[in-house]
Amino acid sequence: EAQVTQNPRYLITVTGKKLTVTCSQNMNHEYMSWYRQDPGLGLRQIYYSMNVEVTDKGDVPEGYKVSRKEKRNFPLILESPSPNQTSLYFCASSLSAPLVPSTDTQYFGPGTRLTVL
Amino acid sequence: AQSVTQLDSHVSVSEGTPVLLRCNYSSSYSPSLFWYVQHPNKGLQLLLKYTSAATLVKGINGFEAEFKKSETSFHLTKPSAHMSDAAEYFCVVRLNTGNQFYFGTGTSLTVIP
Repeated sequence: EAQVTQNPRYLITVTGKKLTVTCSQNMNHEYMSWYRQDPGLGLRQIYYSMNVEVTDKGDVPEGYKVSRKEKRNFPLILESPSPNQTSLYFCASSLSAPLVPSTDTQYFGPGTRLTVL
Repeated sequence: AQSVTQLDSHVSVSEGTPVLLRCNYSSSYSPSLFWYVQHPNKGLQLLLKYTSAATLVKGINGFEAEFKKSETSFHLTKPSAHMSDAAEYFCVVRLNTGNQFYFGTGTSLTVIP
């Protein structure tokens, strides 16, 4: 089944304790992206990746890191989480770069609800 | 600058009546436009997408949206609301000048029995 998976689905942690949220897709997609969803703000893009070893900042990258060593995986790293990073996080992927309209439809993972105390 | 604006944060309709969820975008060129739906405690599902092939786009579950360049709008409609349509709806734009997607702040649809 074609899908985007995220782990963990739920996480409660404390301030300053490094964590990683994994994202994997099995559709051979080139473009992958991370979003955070907060009430009243919709989804905001954190980082995106056009392909392996190519990553770029989105609108809210502060406090996050990403890497794209393999095409299928795009982990989100919080080196020192803070309470303002408490949010619902979504990973998404699309077949190719967004500038190709025929293949820019994004497919979303189920979400990771993160609470930082 | 706000790239996409959803004009209503909450919309409430009676079952069987039409649905209208409004979205305006900011772009000098025709962008790619999407509507996604998010049911409670679920991920996001694509409803429909506009990419300049046709101005009236039909999606899943009876939804459709019309791209109006003169009004820079992409409103989502459905002739008859069903209880299962109750969810959060997001309008999304991808500008032709970049590799990012911009989400509206969402419209919560309530369907009254």
